[in-house]
Amino acid sequence: KAGVTQTPRYLIKTRGQQVTLSCSPISGHRSVSWYQQTPGQGLQFLFEYFSETQRNKGNFPGRFSGRQFSNSRSEMNVSTLELGDSALYLCASSLAERGEDEQFFGPGTRLTVL
Amino acid sequence: AQTVTQSQPEMSVQEAETVTLSCTYDTSENNYYLFWYKQPPSRQMILVIRQEAYKQQNATENRFSVNFQKAAKSFSLKISDSQLGDTAMYFCAFMKGWMEYGNKLVFGAGTILRVKS
Repeated sequence: KAGVTQTPRYLIKTRGQQVTLSCSPISGHRSVSWYQQTPGQGLQFLFEYFSETQRNKGNFPGRFSGRQFSNSRSEMNVSTLELGDSALYLCASSLAERGEDEQFFGPGTRLTVL
Repeated sequence: AQTVTQSQPEMSVQEAETVTLSCTYDTSENNYYLFWYKQPPSRQMILVIRQEAYKQQNATENRFSVNFQKAAKSFSLKISDSQLGDTAMYFCAFMKGWMEYGNKLVFGAGTILRVKS
């Protein structure tokens, strides 16, 4: 069974630009969550989508948005990039609706904002 | 809001020895899950072990076991017979147990574990 895939793996952007990251969950998984990992703030929850609906949202500005498609693939978008948005962005997929089943993480997208 | 605290930024252990990583959490919830995740240098997050708060029995997975003290809100990870491949950052994480809260994980700051030969 294929794991969670994230594209692209690496990305370099400049301040003010926007970026779209993609996450393909494991087949059959309906929940996709996104996390931002930085040395200073650690791992922080961005949002979760379940069956195309945003179920939960972290404490991030409106520049961070996401969506989920009918095939459960998810995208997150960051507009008007700032230097502080440089981070590793991880997505995780899960089969179940709660924590009974494992969340499987993708390899991450490393975003660098210059 | 839930918080997770890992008070040991770095630890080291000799190969084949036992090491314990500490984690405390703060919550007013009664139904929740606790996790330990491993993140090796490859950055791939891997679930090590999971504990349901309503279960009194401590979870074990091969060489990994936890000491779950619900009243003290403590959740430590014990790694027995440490191996070089255990070298990684270890994160303690919390999740509320009610469906409406979804799959949001709250992570601690992490502990870097180095296994020495």
